[in-house]
Amino acid sequence: ELKVEQNPLFLSMQEGKNYTIYCNYSTTSDRLYWYRQDPGKSLESLFVLLSNGAVKQEGRLMASLDTKARLSTLHITAAVHDLSATYFCAVAKTSGSRLTFGEGTQLTVNP
Amino acid sequence: NAGVTQTPKFQVLKTGQSMTLQCAQDMNHEYMSWYRQDPGMGLRLIHYSVGAGITDQGEVPNGYNVSRSTTEDFPLRLLSAAPSQTSVYFCASSYGGKTKNEQFFGPGTRLTVL
Repeated sequence: ELKVEQNPLFLSMQEGKNYTIYCNYSTTSDRLYWYRQDPGKSLESLFVLLSNGAVKQEGRLMASLDTKARLSTLHITAAVHDLSATYFCAVAKTSGSRLTFGEGTQLTVNP
Repeated sequence: NAGVTQTPKFQVLKTGQSMTLQCAQDMNHEYMSWYRQDPGMGLRLIHYSVGAGITDQGEVPNGYNVSRSTTEDFPLRLLSAAPSQTSVYFCASSYGGKTKNEQFFGPGTRLTVL
């Protein structure tokens, strides 16, 4: 059974600081997704990582994938208040139709 | 494109009632899925479909039925609602095959069962 674990589950940061969210998964997979969810809203796709060593960056967020360690990271650089949200990683064991999600990391960026 | 649409946005049911949550997409995606999200948890897969006429169970299928007669629509039926089915339901779609399979999510249906 595929399991996905994120940590931390809650993260309170000051603006301007850097931090990393970790996503571990239990079985081999070659597709990993990061999503953002604002309160009461749907999920917004941030990154799709398809291969070992993949790194993608968008603004203050950078995601990477190490398939050998079964680990993905979401790095936040110089956090701003607008990044406050819940971030989910999700893994597809085979095709993209079946995603297994982590519990989510609730990020709060304080002034 | 409207993307993935879901109706209704909100619904309150009494225990034992049945209802259908509607999901439609206009992107000609092969794959469609239903997830539920409970407080403090990630999304869990209920049912999914890899094409018209093909459906399969996900992680938490009990109490739900699906069918897929067209590429565009993937309704989720609650047969006899129970309080444990109080949740937010998201429909998602994506291309099939060996692609990125990036899933696009609908706005969600917030369901309360009394």
